[in-house]
Amino acid sequence: QKEVEQNSGPLSVPEGAIASLNCTYSDRVSQSFFWYRQYSGKSPELIMSIYSNGDKEDGRFTAQLNKASQYVSLLIRDSQPSDSATYLCAPLDLSGGYNKLIFGAGTRLAVHP
Amino acid sequence: DTGVSQDPRHKITKRGQNVTFRCDPISEHNRLYWYRQTLGQGPEFLTYFQNEAQLEKSRLLSDRFSAERPKGSFSTLEIQRTEQGDSAMYLCASSFRQGVTTGELFFGEGSRLTVL
Repeated sequence: QKEVEQNSGPLSVPEGAIASLNCTYSDRVSQSFFWYRQYSGKSPELIMSIYSNGDKEDGRFTAQLNKASQYVSLLIRDSQPSDSATYLCAPLDLSGGYNKLIFGAGTRLAVHP
Repeated sequence: DTGVSQDPRHKITKRGQNVTFRCDPISEHNRLYWYRQTLGQGPEFLTYFQNEAQLEKSRLLSDRFSAERPKGSFSTLEIQRTEQGDSAMYLCASSFRQGVTTGELFFGEGSRLTVL
């Protein structure tokens, strides 16, 4: 059973601060990792993908990947109240010759003014 | 609207009844996924299709659940003899298979099932 572990939160940060969201996964085969954002009552939407060890930056978002440690993180700089949502970590599961996303339970982020 | 659409958005049923959900993916997408999400949890994989072929079905899925995608376009998810534990949001997502971009899923708004 593949596992994706995230701290459920809530992670509360003040507006303008850096929010750091972490994720560990059990499947050593996973090569691709995705972060989805889900607003309350809405469906998940993709915000970041990362495939190689190191950092990948996109605007205020930075994804970090360490495959040896089976660890992926998401940093949100200059956090805004509109960033308040649940962030889902999703490695791509390659078992069985097919691929699908396995989602963690998500970390709820609350950015307060 | 060219996004993923799901119908119905809400369904309330009594235990033991059958329910069917429909998903219309983005037209050029050849992969279609069904996930289930309960409160406080992430989406749980149920099954997926590439065109009309059902490639994988979760081992956690009981035989009361069946999904089809008859012409490689829309898909249906049927739950027979519903139980209260089936109450959840059923999410459909689609993607276009092209290398690593298979991790980019476009989700519909979901179909919320309440079993009384």
